[in-house]
Amino acid sequence: QSVLTQPPSASGTPGQTVTISCSGSRSNVGSNYVHWFQHLPGTAPKLLIYRSNERPSGVPDRFSGSKSGTSASLAIRGLRSEDEAEYYCAAWDDSLLWVFGGGTKLTVL
Amino acid sequence: QVQLVQSGAEVKKPGASVKVSCEASGYIFTDYYIHWVRQAPGQGLEWMGTINPDSGNTRIAQNFQGRATMTRDTSTRIVYIDLTGLRSEDTAMYYCARGGISAPDVFQKWGQGTMVTVSS
Repeated sequence: QSVLTQPPSASGTPGQTVTISCSGSRSNVGSNYVHWFQHLPGTAPKLLIYRSNERPSGVPDRFSGSKSGTSASLAIRGLRSEDEAEYYCAAWDDSLLWVFGGGTKLTVL
Repeated sequence: QVQLVQSGAEVKKPGASVKVSCEASGYIFTDYYIHWVRQAPGQGLEWMGTINPDSGNTRIAQNFQGRATMTRDTSTRIVYIDLTGLRSEDTAMYYCARGGISAPDVFQKWGQGTMVTVSS
């Protein structure tokens, strides 16, 4: 059972906008940044969004993040087939540990 | 460029121990935390703990306290995780990841992963 709650699956057609949610508590999402990782099978996870809404260099601006209170979300605009992957949210918890969401498998129909 | 290269796959019997290494390059080794994260088959990511390569201080997640030890060798720029008392549930891909200058800083770069299989 993951500390952060994500929907297990999401889907969309090419060109659509998909949003993935991440819910936590005051000690993690509520008081610290949320980060998002993209995980393709057989590869290492890749940092997609950091500090809730910042993109590392090289990440397309189709990906965006937001946070409000104890919830955060990742939006993918202009969905592409290569976006099909597992997406994880993560946050530092004030109990001095990192916590992850259970992951959301995104399917591009 | 920043690189983390992990040791190869391991197959262990229940009750045994495994030591996975993570060799860092492309940055000042002692400036950035290294974290260990694992993913069991069909499961999500699970944070195991972190080590400050400068001081050697570690913080181990509660689920792994007493079983996991993290160490580093500053001369070779290698971080290790040692997991004892292996059980079938420890079968997973183990990743090291470079964090920031403090433990709450996000993992910016990941190693390629090391598959550990626990089977009799």
